[in-house]
Amino acid sequence: AQSVTQPDIHITVSEGASLELRCNYSYGATPYLFWYVQSPGQGLQLLLKYFSGDTLVQGIKGFEAEFKRSQSSFNLRKPSVHWSDAAEYFCAVVPIIQGAQKLVFGQGTRLTINP
Amino acid sequence: KAGVTQTPRYLIKTRGQQVTLSCSPISGHRSVSWYQQTPGQGLQFLFEYFSETQRNKGNFPGRFSGRQFSNSRSEMNVSTLELGDSALYLCASSWAGTGIGTEAFFGQGTRLTVV
Repeated sequence: AQSVTQPDIHITVSEGASLELRCNYSYGATPYLFWYVQSPGQGLQLLLKYFSGDTLVQGIKGFEAEFKRSQSSFNLRKPSVHWSDAAEYFCAVVPIIQGAQKLVFGQGTRLTINP
Repeated sequence: KAGVTQTPRYLIKTRGQQVTLSCSPISGHRSVSWYQQTPGQGLQFLFEYFSETQRNKGNFPGRFSGRQFSNSRSEMNVSTLELGDSALYLCASSWAGTGIGTEAFFGQGTRLTVV
């Protein structure tokens, strides 16, 4: 079935440590790819996006993501996390299929930062 | 430039009632999509409107409906509310629609509680 998978429901890292959040998708053609962040009780903020071209994309707040076609993955990374990065992170895709103009989200990864 | 505005932010309704939520997109954006977010089901697509026409629809019952006005503002309506309709309802606007490769910007959401 076509889907977006975020294998890690909850991740805890120490402040200053590096971070990688995983995202895998299962679609025939490479979809458009996004990462969003959501703070408690808030809407979604776009961190970065991939449509085509360079497979390493830079986003806001020091985040980057790498698209790997062979692994159907779009993992989010940050070299050094800050306490303010604690939030829920969602990977999302837009399938490039006629009539499928919608975001399909993974289940989210909740990030906790230890001081 | 103002972001996506959703009103009201919070609502409490009784089972069986109906409710209308409003979304004002970013100026110049013609596509408005609605999503429902619950702890159990995550983020699910409700429908998308573009230039006053529903262009795409998710798998929700007919109690969920929407419309878009000539100024691109959108409303969604839920009739005969059920306890399971309690959720955060998010509106997203984009210039041409997520399927065209443009990014979606989200509002802060409306928290609906059905009692």
